[in-house]
Order: sequence, then C-alpha cells, then structure tokens
Amino acid sequence: SQQGEEDPQALSIQEGENATMNCSYKTSINNLQWYRQNSGRGLVHLILIRSNEREKHSGRLRVTLDTSKKSSSLLITASRAADTASYFCATGLSNDYKLSFGAGTTVTVRA
Amino acid sequence: NAGVTQTPKFQVLKTGQSMTLQCAQDMNHEYMSWYRQDPGMGLRLIHYSVGAGITDQGEVPNGYNVSRSTTEDFPLRLLSAAPSQTSVYFCASSYRKSGRMNEQFFGPGTRLTVL
Repeated sequence: SQQGEEDPQALSIQEGENATMNCSYKTSINNLQWYRQNSGRGLVHLILIRSNEREKHSGRLRVTLDTSKKSSSLLITASRAADTASYFCATGLSNDYKLSFGAGTTVTVRA
Repeated sequence: NAGVTQTPKFQVLKTGQSMTLQCAQDMNHEYMSWYRQDPGMGLRLIHYSVGAGITDQGEVPNGYNVSRSTTEDFPLRLLSAAPSQTSVYFCASSYRKSGRMNEQFFGPGTRLTVL
C-alpha cells in the first residue's frame, strides 16, 4: 500500500510562477524524499529530509517537513519549462533502504 | 560512472513466456531494488537486496524471482509472464553513509508488454 499521497494530482502554472505540492503520509517516518520523473524516464532524486529536520533547500527547491501533521511540501520557485515533470514523494519508515512512493503530482509549466 | 543500467529498454512477451530483466550498477552500492510503475500509481517495490547473497520480498513479489550473486548485478526473472505484469520496471541502488541510508539512484526503466 502507498504510504504517501501527493496533492494536487496535477498542476499547471505559467513560467516564472512558483509551484507547490504536498505529500501526506500515515505512519511515523525516518526520512522523506522527493523525486522527479520526466516523461518516459527514470526517477531523479531531488531532496532527502530526515525526520529531525524541518526544512531543506537545493537551488530553486524548498522542502518542508511537519512530522506532527505527517506532511511535507515541495516548492519550486521561478519555474521553467524544464520543470515540467511528475514529482513523487517517498517515505522511509525506518533507517533501512525501503521506500514507499506516492502516486505523484504532474506539473506542467506553460511558456 | 554509468550509474544504474537496465536492459532491455523495451520487451514484448506472450503469456506464459519467461524472461530476465537485467540491472547493473557500478557505484559499489550495497542496496538494490526492483519496482514496477503502473499508470496513475506510484512505484511499488517488487524485491530488494541489501548485499550479495541477500534478497527479500517487497510489496508485490508474486510472479517474480531475483538473485544477487555479485554487488553489481541484480536480475529480475519473470517466471511465466501474465498480462497483469505489463508495466514499466525500474531498478534502483542506494548506499549507507555514517549509518544512515541515502537517496536511491534509478535506472532508465524497461517497458514490458505481455500479450
């Protein structure tokens, strides 16, 4: 069963705008990861945030984690056409390798 | 480094046929795994391995076998293909550093159709 659920399922924005997507999960986690998948390609890791962390940044990406609400958000600032992709959150329940993926958010950036 | 490689990229099978999907990584990662991705769903874990000679089942293991004889290779065998196994298959690898697990590196995927 999928641990994480992304919201919204789909998002369409204008180039230059910010995109925010959320991930909710059901049980306590060790870490939460965000991945990007371009159409027909493999997944690419974006950010890993551990359960004792609240916020992480990487370039134009900002991830927050609220363990009390069992939720995380991914913010992409100043979006570009190249950001068009599906974004997945994945939760690690313990300090092992297994991840549980959500169904993803499809982001379309319009020129 | 080539990272995680998968072969073939595309495969069409008839119901009942068997085949092996290949996966290799050159990063000396101890952890490798196989996922399947179906439309509208996230990735579901099929089998995984935490080192050579060690494998375990994931969420959807039925109809698939794996083995891990070397650190580099982790093949996935379909024993008797069924239309329900039509999917895109991804292999991934990962590592532990300072006692903590890290991100997974994914291969480009194998698109399998079972007729």
